[in-house]
Amino acid sequence: EPEVTQTPSHQVTQMGQEVILRCVPISNHLYFYWYRQILGQKVEFLVSFYNNEISEKSEIFDDQFSVERPDGSNFTLKIRSTKLEDSAMYFCASSEYSAGYTFGSGTRLTVV
Amino acid sequence: AQRVTQPEKLLSVFKGAPVELKCNYSYSGSPELFWYVQYSRQRLQLLLRHISRESIKGFTADLNKGETSFHLKKPFAQEEDSAMYYCALRNNAGGTSYGKLTFGQGTILTVHP
Repeated sequence: EPEVTQTPSHQVTQMGQEVILRCVPISNHLYFYWYRQILGQKVEFLVSFYNNEISEKSEIFDDQFSVERPDGSNFTLKIRSTKLEDSAMYFCASSEYSAGYTFGSGTRLTVV
Repeated sequence: AQRVTQPEKLLSVFKGAPVELKCNYSYSGSPELFWYVQYSRQRLQLLLRHISRESIKGFTADLNKGETSFHLKKPFAQEEDSAMYYCALRNNAGGTSYGKLTFGQGTILTVHP
């Protein structure tokens, strides 16, 4: 069964540093998403991406966040200057039109 | 605005007992509801979609539009069912919000031997 792949599985970074979280969606999927789950809290929507542009972003997704699909297969989330409160599990997901999502296994980001 | 409410943060049952995880939603359009399961910090796995009306691992869920609920049920819980369960609603109305999932807070189910 096709999977969404995320790397790295765990990243530790110093406050103020830039991080890039990588995702390889399922190849024939057209819609891509990032979600965040702070420890002990619910899963929150960050951003959706379709047709090479952001289709919606939440209020969490401020100017320090950006997404890219640089080569037609990878889908990246960049956090420019990390803060302690960015520590969370970040999930990538992809879907076909009107089909269920497939989530990746997540990247645990720890900002110290 | 769409919202999903799971009123129980924790639910404990004994093996073999029936289990019901509650989910209520608010959404102005025609909703598409899901249940996701997350075992011990693993990835979110799709358990059920209301439109497919299938039973997975013995779990079922019926969409009740009158009560705006989508409760998850299983007649006989097993220890391996212990996990975090999330109810989620997807925006299918089209436009820029298409596809966005809104999750409930999640319910941690513990099935005791």
